[in-house]
Amino acid sequence: GQSLEQPSEVTAVEGAIVQINCTYQTSGFYGLSWYQQHDGGAPTFLSYNALDGLEETGRFSSFLSRSDSYGYLLLQELQMKDSASYFCAVSIYNQGGKLIFGQGTELSVKP
Amino acid sequence: DAGVTQSPTHLIKTRGQHVTLRCSPISGHKSVSWYQQVLGQGPQFIFQYYEKEERGRGNFPDRFSARQFPNYSSELNVNALLLGDSALYLCASSSPGQGAREKLFFGSGTQLSVL
Repeated sequence: GQSLEQPSEVTAVEGAIVQINCTYQTSGFYGLSWYQQHDGGAPTFLSYNALDGLEETGRFSSFLSRSDSYGYLLLQELQMKDSASYFCAVSIYNQGGKLIFGQGTELSVKP
Repeated sequence: DAGVTQSPTHLIKTRGQHVTLRCSPISGHKSVSWYQQVLGQGPQFIFQYYEKEERGRGNFPDRFSARQFPNYSSELNVNALLLGDSALYLCASSSPGQGAREKLFFGSGTQLSVL
């Protein structure tokens, strides 16, 4: 089957750096995406890795290693507004635009 | 520019009823996808439509159906509602240039409660 695993909860303090890991068991896929969702809100796209390596977008970076079936989202200079759920997702070959999402990681940023 | 809009925002139905959820994609986006999100879990893929044709279907029963109109808006229909259908239903659109596999733009969803 196809599955993605993330930690259910992560807590960090304002100004710190936090890493949210995503390990996956899936056959061929196009890339790994990350989405942020605040309580009851719309998931918002953060980052996409088509190739192995690091992608940087402002305070957020994402990493993919296909050989290790592993990726992560790195959030720097944490702010209170970063408290939200974070989801990794993969798009599978030959399945159109279907994304398979992980269960999500709830990030709590403390003052 | 307006984002993805969904209606209604909240809906309460009873078991056995039928529901229709509506979605308008971002202007210029031709692909619309539907996802179901149960509290505490990640979104689960239901359907994808591109240029009014079904391009993908998730592991949902035939009680779920959808369609896309010439203006690229979409409807999700669920028949014979069950308690387990209670969830947040999310619609997402994607740009012709990037594609659904890379970047989805989600609406705020319709919160469906089945009593």
